[in-house]
Amino acid sequence: AQSVTQLDSQVPVFEEAPVELRCNYSSSVSVYLFWYVQYPNQGLQLLLKYLSGSTLVKGINGFEAEFNKSQTSFHLRKPSVHISDTAEYFCAVSTRYSTLTFGKGTMLLVSP
Amino acid sequence: DAGVIQSPRHEVTEMGQEVTLRCKPISGHNSLFWYRQTMMRGLELLIYFNNNVPIDDSGMPEDRFSAKMPNASFSTLKIQPSEPRDSAVYFCASSLAGPYEQYFGPGTRLTVT
Repeated sequence: AQSVTQLDSQVPVFEEAPVELRCNYSSSVSVYLFWYVQYPNQGLQLLLKYLSGSTLVKGINGFEAEFNKSQTSFHLRKPSVHISDTAEYFCAVSTRYSTLTFGKGTMLLVSP
Repeated sequence: DAGVIQSPRHEVTEMGQEVTLRCKPISGHNSLFWYRQTMMRGLELLIYFNNNVPIDDSGMPEDRFSAKMPNASFSTLKIQPSEPRDSAVYFCASSLAGPYEQYFGPGTRLTVT
């Protein structure tokens, strides 16, 4: 079975600063990786996904993530955050044989 | 596409009452998932269906919870009898079968008093 670890439960950052949200996974087979965002009082929305190919994946709202197989990581980055990026971010992993397993989430708090 | 539709959006009920949550998945999707989200436990998968058949219900907390999918366009999650600890936001999600991204509905916020 696969698992996901999001190392930070909260990440505070100032507006226009860069941010990295960390995600590590564990799996004995090849994985597919996803980042979701949840704004207050809303459902989860897909931010980006890695299925195969280029390890650098670009998503919506200026976010990107890099798949690092040797370090079993899929960290999410944005070079300059906005107040509107304040939300909870979930990393998720699946395999050819299983559905998504979600991490516990990281709350990104952007302040002026 | 209208996306995943859930109803009601908010439900307030008294302990002991029956609660039924409803979900309409995205047309063409053949997998459907029910999740529960709380501050304490985060996002939990309760049950999922492939082609209307329950595949994994190991996340269903106890016999008070039941889920059905009578056809490809409708699913229900029922709690009977409800308890205060069932208060949470319940999400429905759908996807194509397999390890693909899931599309979430807006959720139903359940409060049991």
